[in-house]
Amino acid sequence: AQSVTQLGSHVSVSEGALVLLRCNYSSSVPPYLFWYVQYPNQGLQLLLKYTTGATLVKGINGFEAEFKKSETSFHLTKPSAHMSDAAEYFCALQGAQKLVFGQGTRLTINP
Amino acid sequence: SQTIHQWPATLVQPVGSPLSLECTVEGTSNPNLYWYRQAAGRGLQLLFYSVGIGQISSEVPQNLSASRPQDRQFILSSKKLLLSDSGFYLCAWSALGNIQYFGAGTRLSVL
Repeated sequence: AQSVTQLGSHVSVSEGALVLLRCNYSSSVPPYLFWYVQYPNQGLQLLLKYTTGATLVKGINGFEAEFKKSETSFHLTKPSAHMSDAAEYFCALQGAQKLVFGQGTRLTINP
Repeated sequence: SQTIHQWPATLVQPVGSPLSLECTVEGTSNPNLYWYRQAAGRGLQLLFYSVGIGQISSEVPQNLSASRPQDRQFILSSKKLLLSDSGFYLCAWSALGNIQYFGAGTRLSVL
């Protein structure tokens, strides 16, 4: 069965510090992977996606993620956090006709 | 371009009352459609998805039902709301099961 695990339901970093949100997946087929962001009381917005090809994927707002097959990981990073990055982040795996989501990680930015 | 509309944005309903949430998509044909729920402090729960008119797949047994009377219209309903139906409801669409695009959500409070 396919599954997604996000390590850490809450992550707190200082403004200007590195952001690292962890995602591991389980899939018996080559995965399509996504990161979404959700700001309070809003829908989800796609940050980036990995399908095939280059394993380092760049997304919006300065975020990027690296697909590592050997580690079954797709961690999300940003070199320097901004206050506007405070939100909930979801990692997702493409399943049959639907996405399999992780439980989400709430990112807090400290001034 | 494609857009997704979801309404109402907020709704307060008494226990035992009926519910109807509507979602429509513009600018695409034969989309896959999805209803999710976020309870307070919890992740995304897929409730229903549809790959075509009249085709509804239910992910979890519950007090809700879904219908797709037209190609780009997806309705979430309940005959009698429970307190546990409170939450943030999100509609989403995708083409060929790929990237999902989300609506702005409906905040439902059952009192």
